[in-house]
Amino acid sequence: EAQVTQNPRYLITVTGKKLTVTCSQNMNHEYMSWYRQDPGLGLRQIYYSMNVEVTDKGDVPEGYKVSRKEKRNFPLILESPSPNQTSLYFCASSVEETQYFGPGTRLLVL
Amino acid sequence: RKEVEQDPGPFNVPEGATVAFNCTYSNSASQSFFWYRQDCRKEPKLLMSVYSSGNEDGRFTAQLNRASQYISLLIRDSKLSDSATYLCVVSSIKAAGNKLTFGGGTRVLVKP
Repeated sequence: EAQVTQNPRYLITVTGKKLTVTCSQNMNHEYMSWYRQDPGLGLRQIYYSMNVEVTDKGDVPEGYKVSRKEKRNFPLILESPSPNQTSLYFCASSVEETQYFGPGTRLLVL
Repeated sequence: RKEVEQDPGPFNVPEGATVAFNCTYSNSASQSFFWYRQDCRKEPKLLMSVYSSGNEDGRFTAQLNRASQYISLLIRDSKLSDSATYLCVVSSIKAAGNKLTFGGGTRVLVKP
């Protein structure tokens, strides 16, 4: 089944404790991206990657890092999480302009 | 001003009725347009692309008005299962490739 998977789906952590949210797709898509969704602000792009080893900032990259060592994986790293990074996070891969989203990761930073 | 704006709703719709709502965009160079559907606490999924000539997919009709910079979505014969948030998405060409900008979503509640 073609899909995008994210782990963990839910995470509660404390300020400053590094965490990684994994994202994997099995559709051989070159383009992948990370979004956060907050009430009233819609989906905002954090980082995107056009191919292996090619990543770039989206609209809200501060406080986040990404890597793309393999085509299928695009992890999101929060080196020192802060409460303002509490949000719902979606990973997506795309072909042409159709985005396929993962199921989302709900993150609470205390 | 936001790049892509939507009325957040909710639009309360009797089952079987027709509902329509718009999305305005500010970048006149925008190239492509889409409607995504998002169920509560779930991931967005592509509902339909919006073509210049307008297009229909079953009970759903999408229109594009480039002169006034808005797109619309019309749902006929609303079903309870149409209750969701509808996200407008606009694609613009940037140096690094196409960039998708999402609206905040319009919530639709279909009631018996």
